[in-house]
Amino acid sequence: GAGVSQSPRYKVAKRGQDVALRCDPISGHVSLFWYQQALGQGPEFLTYFQNEAQLDKSGLPSDRFFAERPEGSVSTLKIQRTQQEDSAVYLCASSLDSGQGPTYEQYFGPGTRLTVT
Amino acid sequence: LAKTTQPISMDSYEGQEVNITCSHNNIATNDYITWYQQFPSQGPRFIIQGYKTKVTNEVASLFIPADRKSSTLSLPRVSLSDTAVYYCLVGESVAGNQFYFGTGTSLTVIP
Repeated sequence: GAGVSQSPRYKVAKRGQDVALRCDPISGHVSLFWYQQALGQGPEFLTYFQNEAQLDKSGLPSDRFFAERPEGSVSTLKIQRTQQEDSAVYLCASSLDSGQGPTYEQYFGPGTRLTVT
Repeated sequence: LAKTTQPISMDSYEGQEVNITCSHNNIATNDYITWYQQFPSQGPRFIIQGYKTKVTNEVASLFIPADRKSSTLSLPRVSLSDTAVYYCLVGESVAGNQFYFGTGTSLTVIP
């Protein structure tokens, strides 16, 4: 079946604008993750959902960042009043694992490259 | 949370076997070791996962010594298409921030 998809693939925002990034996980995957990846760095965890419940949002850098997954499938990462330091690739991943037991592989989308000018 | 240490970069010629070693001195009893591969402009892709001894799949092998304080990803007969960044992760489950990617190892395969 289809993999994880993200939209838009590229987004340019003026400083102060709000943006919304969408993630469509693999159908049936319980877990969904958002990561932020700066140039030359590895992905950094932002937040984690198990179905519709946001179980961990400890990686969100500020209260301008908000994520939701209201029906336990599609997720949206919203950034309010964007700043230049928000420029990065935002990656979404999903996994079959419910968080119990051994680690299962995460399937990543292609990411959304956000540039704040 | 067990963090990892990997070489920043490696070069290899086509057709050679490449071994990338990862140190994880503070690995916990319930932690698994997972390796991901990332090409430019793509999300990371799962390669292999193990707990102890040796694991092999169609892509790579993972060697884990008895003390589990390190692991080695082995890529047999690399090709140019294996040029990518390789991340070693250690964690118990997918929950929360147990996935720490670090900066990874940038592998360049030379013709």
